[in-house]
Amino acid sequence: EPEVTQTPSHQVTQMGQEVILRCVPISNHLYFYWYRQILGQKVEFLVSFYNNEISEKSEIFDDQFSVERPDGSNFTLKIRSTKLEDSAMYFCASSEQGSRDEKLFFGSGTQLSVL
Amino acid sequence: KNEVEQSPQNLTAQEGEFITINCSYSVGISALHWLQQHPGGGIVSLFMLSSGKKKHGRLIATINIQEKHSSLHITASHPRDSAVYICAATNTDKLIFGTGTRLQVFP
Repeated sequence: EPEVTQTPSHQVTQMGQEVILRCVPISNHLYFYWYRQILGQKVEFLVSFYNNEISEKSEIFDDQFSVERPDGSNFTLKIRSTKLEDSAMYFCASSEQGSRDEKLFFGSGTQLSVL
Repeated sequence: KNEVEQSPQNLTAQEGEFITINCSYSVGISALHWLQQHPGGGIVSLFMLSSGKKKHGRLIATINIQEKHSSLHITASHPRDSAVYICAATNTDKLIFGTGTRLQVFP
């Protein structure tokens, strides 16, 4: 069964460093998302991406964050200068028709620890 | 006030029991999702529904749009059903998550 894959599963970085979280969505999917979950808290929306552009973003997704679909298969989340409060599990998700019309498929997550 | 609220927060059951988890939302929505999060953190989508009822195996999800309420039922619960169950509402293309219900089913 096709699945969304995320790498790395764990990332440790120093405050102020740049990190890139990588995702390979399911191949025929058109809608892509990043969510995050701080330990002990609920899952929060970061950004949605469709047709090679951001379709919606949350207040969390400020200028330090960016997304890219560089080669038609990967979908990346970049944090330019990490802060302690960026420590969280980051989930990539994808779907064929968008979350208003069908279920999302989630990756297994990247646990980001900022020291 | 949270836009999506779930009850109960924690639930324990004996194997075989019928389980109900409730979700209420305060925003207008186009769809309501039920998801399962395992202890390792992975998230699996169970249902997306915008009206009525859906069933998959021992899981049943219902939604009442007028009352802004949805329920997830598990029939004949099993220890492997132990997980956090989360509802999430959407009216644009983002999911607004509830805080989850932690279910433990004991043999």
